[in-house]
Amino acid sequence: SAVISQKPSRDICQRGTSLTIQCQVDSQVTMMFWYRQQPGQSLTLIATANQGSEATYESGFVIDKFPISRPNLTFSTLTVSNMSPEDSSIYLCSVVGTGELDEQYFGPGTRLTVT
Amino acid sequence: EDKVVQSPLSLVVHEGDTVTLNCSYEVTNFRSLLWYKQEKKAPTFLFMLTSSGIEKKSGRLSSILDKKELFSILNITATQTGDSAVYLCAPRRYSGAGSYQLTFGKGTKLSVIP
Repeated sequence: SAVISQKPSRDICQRGTSLTIQCQVDSQVTMMFWYRQQPGQSLTLIATANQGSEATYESGFVIDKFPISRPNLTFSTLTVSNMSPEDSSIYLCSVVGTGELDEQYFGPGTRLTVT
Repeated sequence: EDKVVQSPLSLVVHEGDTVTLNCSYEVTNFRSLLWYKQEKKAPTFLFMLTSSGIEKKSGRLSSILDKKELFSILNITATQTGDSAVYLCAPRRYSGAGSYQLTFGKGTKLSVIP
């Protein structure tokens, strides 16, 4: 299975600021995703991070608020922009190895609190 | 719209009990179903099921998928306090352009009492 690291593991930020979360995988993967888990809720897909092209966002999520980069097959970043308290969540990076038959793994998560 | 329903939403058992967690789904372009255990932040992968009727087993945990009736169950035998967690069911669908996506249920919160 892929080993995934995320930085930072947690942060407390002021409203109106931005935070960039990094996701690093120890092997090349085909698909990388970013999820959000709000308090007491299940996981919601924010976007699929596409290598070398713009991310594919799910309904309700926009690039201006959650810009994503994926410069290569092992690294991605998610920025949470112009934060408000409603952005307080756990943000999770997730990867799939080589396609449909591959299992999907999650990074350790970033717990974000916006004050 | 895709739908995933897990039941029960929460469950309290004593150590040594056997539990069955349920997951029913309605997902377009269904390909497989994954189960995860979430204790703190990150969901930990348990099983991926692609074929009906074939049980997957790992220690005291087992799971099976019924693609005709659109449900899956996760069994845990001889529960231990370390099994206390939220268990998440996530059907995977083909979303086009070679990409696959998971849709998560709300989870079953299992509490195992010594």
